[in-house]
Amino acid sequence: GENVEQHPSTLSVQEGDSAVIKCTYSDSASNYFPWYKQELGKGPQLIIDIRSNVGEKKDQRIAVTLNKTAKHFSLHITETQPEDSAVYFCAASTIEAAGNKLTFGGGTRVLVKP
Amino acid sequence: NAGVTQTPKFRVLKTGQSMTLLCAQDMNHEYMYWYRQDPGMGLRLIHYSVGEGTTAKGEVPDGYNVSRLKKQNFLLGLESAAPSQTSVYFCASIPAGENKAFFGQGTRLTVV
Repeated sequence: GENVEQHPSTLSVQEGDSAVIKCTYSDSASNYFPWYKQELGKGPQLIIDIRSNVGEKKDQRIAVTLNKTAKHFSLHITETQPEDSAVYFCAASTIEAAGNKLTFGGGTRVLVKP
Repeated sequence: NAGVTQTPKFRVLKTGQSMTLLCAQDMNHEYMYWYRQDPGMGLRLIHYSVGEGTTAKGEVPDGYNVSRLKKQNFLLGLESAAPSQTSVYFCASIPAGENKAFFGQGTRLTVV
């Protein structure tokens, strides 16, 4: 089955700086790569996703890049703000597979220092 | 429109006790999932359902059972709780033909 590795496990940045989280996946059949943000005491929420036919996608201060050949994808947050402090999860799945099952990375705890 | 609702939010069980976690969604989603979240291990899939009356095993199904008698509800059962099942449990749902997962607020379960 799919295996997703995520690094780093914790990330501390100064407000206004950029944050980068990296993930690798093992199954070449995976073609959907979402990123979820989990705030304290809440369930994960989708913040951005990318499909394997796209190399990069941007939404305001967040962007995701995908390298299919190397089987890795990254989340970039620019101009970080205190409200960006949360746990971030990457995930991978194969859209056509029954059940759209997501395999998650281990999570990155991001702390934005004011 | 409440989204995905999990009950209870917190529970403490003694080893060997049984309990059922309820997940309810009001979005008419086809797919539903139960995950457990443990420190450093992300979310791991326990069981999932691709429609009413169907269930399938995920990555870590041992010690759990599920039922999807109604499309809007997905129940997770622990027949004989063990300390290793101490975790935060999340339910999620996805509409058919789409990919975005909607998560509940989680259930924090402690088995002593």
